[in-house]
Amino acid sequence: DTGVSQNPRHKITKRGQNVTFRCDPISEHNRLYWYRQTLGQGPEFLTYFQNEAQLEKSRLLSDRFSAERPKGSFSTLEIQRTEQGDSAMYLCASSFPTRPTDTQYFGPGTRLTVL
Amino acid sequence: ELKVEQNPLFLSMQEGKNYTIYCNYSTTSDRLYWYRQDPGKSLESLFVLLSNGAVKQEGRLMASLDTKARLSTLHITAAVHDLSATYFCAVDLAIYNQGGKLIFGQGTELSVKP
Repeated sequence: DTGVSQNPRHKITKRGQNVTFRCDPISEHNRLYWYRQTLGQGPEFLTYFQNEAQLEKSRLLSDRFSAERPKGSFSTLEIQRTEQGDSAMYLCASSFPTRPTDTQYFGPGTRLTVL
Repeated sequence: ELKVEQNPLFLSMQEGKNYTIYCNYSTTSDRLYWYRQDPGKSLESLFVLLSNGAVKQEGRLMASLDTKARLSTLHITAAVHDLSATYFCAVDLAIYNQGGKLIFGQGTELSVKP
């Protein structure tokens, strides 16, 4: 069990460029979540997958954002035509929901800076 | 809309003192989590509280849950510098069939000074 990993850890891009982040969950965890965290705030939910199915997307997720989990293992989050307001830490978490607990384990995050 | 509010948002403590962080949430939930975040790092799970009256303790931290009051507390006993971090509570929306996504409070930034 190597924990949740995310790549890259840091990304600096110019406004208007596209970026893609990758998340590798803990093996055998069938749920994978994406959150966004801005400075001084708690993480905000973006979307989640159960296996390869994307089951929910937040209203925060504009059409410029897309997430995939093609084989139910790793996931990618793509942001097209980045804007300065997209600058944030993007966190991935995974879980294997069993009652009564469903603890989500977080990765180290990808810090995005849009210039 | 579910809201989760923590107070205080900033807490400066002296080593050896006790203090409590409060987490209020606006609607029914059957699971509440506490996480710790060090600067520039990700979130580390501390506690999961599942039922009314639940109490969990780990070292100098003790968390409790009152579901009727929709209130959780994180009590710090005899603080030490190593506890300096930001602490988040989060509420699970699984009972609303929303897949267990978490709604986080704003966080409490704790600084323990010698």
